[in-house]
Amino acid sequence: EVQLVESGGGLVQPGGSLRLSCAASGFTFSSYEMNWVRQAPGKGLEWVSYISSSGSTIYYADSVKGRFTISRDNAKNSLYLQMNSLRAEDTAVYYCARDRGNSGSCFDYWGQGTLVTVSS
Amino acid sequence: DIQMTQSPSTLSASVGDRVTITCRASQSISSWLAWYQQKPGKAPKLLIYKASSLETGVPSRFSGSGSGTEFTLTISSLQPDDFATYYCQQYNSYWRTFGQGTKVEIK
Repeated sequence: EVQLVESGGGLVQPGGSLRLSCAASGFTFSSYEMNWVRQAPGKGLEWVSYISSSGSTIYYADSVKGRFTISRDNAKNSLYLQMNSLRAEDTAVYYCARDRGNSGSCFDYWGQGTLVTVSS
Repeated sequence: DIQMTQSPSTLSASVGDRVTITCRASQSISSWLAWYQQKPGKAPKLLIYKASSLETGVPSRFSGSGSGTEFTLTISSLQPDDFATYYCQQYNSYWRTFGQGTKVEIK
């Protein structure tokens, strides 16, 4: 059974940093492209970042470019999101999501999400 | 970025109704469109990919159609479990974007 389990969310002050993790199981993690998607409270879905299966190709939404860094450790079946210079508008539930296919696809499996709250 | 616009934002319907949600893209995305269902407090669930392909395990009352810039999600006979928010998503580029969502409420 495919499982994605996020962790690392919490309350952080504006300007602070946080590192999210996503532990994958039930599939060959190193063969799949992965993403982070977020959802602000009561709002819609926003794609945040993409990483290829090898980690060699990475993309970011303009709203987080230069502040967030996506990475993965295929030996540990884990995906990460380092978030720096956090702002109030980064407050959201952050989901890790698996690409269904290759070369940027839709998302067939999602984690349960981890809440990040940016507030003083 | 490609903008996705869903209509309506809210839809009131009864069990057994046929329901249609529309999604329009700001430029052609061929058939690179997906539909998701999300219930409160839960992660989205993939229903339809490549505009009209049903994801494994999704009931056949869900169907998708369209290509280019205009797409529809149809629920042929609304069931109690279908009251939720639905999102379209384009994946014509790596910069994936979602529609704003359509909430299907009980009439």
